Amino acid sequence: NAGVMQNPRHLVRRRGQEARLRCSPMKGHSHVYWYRQLPEEGLKFMVYLQKENIIDESGMPKERFSAEFPKEGPSILRIQQVVRGDSAAYFCASSPGTEEKLFFGSGTQLSVL
Amino acid sequence: GQSLEQPSEVTAVEGAIVQINCTYQTSGFYGLSWYQQHDGGAPTFLSYNALDGLEETGRFSSFLSRSDSYGYLLLQELQMKDSASYFCASGGGGGNKLTFGTGTQLKVEL
Repeated sequence: NAGVMQNPRHLVRRRGQEARLRCSPMKGHSHVYWYRQLPEEGLKFMVYLQKENIIDESGMPKERFSAEFPKEGPSILRIQQVVRGDSAAYFCASSPGTEEKLFFGSGTQLSVL
Repeated sequence: GQSLEQPSEVTAVEGAIVQINCTYQTSGFYGLSWYQQHDGGAPTFLSYNALDGLEETGRFSSFLSRSDSYGYLLLQELQMKDSASYFCASGGGGGNKLTFGTGTQLKVEL
């Protein structure tokens, strides 16, 4: 049973470009969470999704950031017009929704030049 | 909202026992989880306390006191590979978001 798959592992963008981060949850998991982590800091909640629904986006910046989890395919975290402050590690996690335990992917390291 | 505070750094020697504390202020408390993260790697689940008391899983144990809004992770027989960051987390009940603590970097020395 494959774990949570995130790609790309590393993503480099120039200021003003768009970044698309992908996350495929574990098989059988219908709950997806996105977290952002700056160097030597904790994991900051961004958004929680179930299939085709955004359940909690209280951690998402109001502008430029969006997330989706379509019926088919991976969850996508999209950052438009990236700025240097967006540089961070973005982790995706999934759960079956019936337990407290989250399973994390290896993350995408976004670097904005 | 939720906030969880941890010491930023703890150092211990190989073979010793170390305790990492977590104090929290939350609304709608669902229990306390612990995660381990090696440098830049994926956080991995260690333990979860829904009720007061001690949960033991091998060399790791976790404790929760709801009345004191406090918990800790206890690591025994420390090994070099235990050097990592440790995060407490709250929430996640029935699929709610999980809020992470500030994190504790554990350094294990010879």
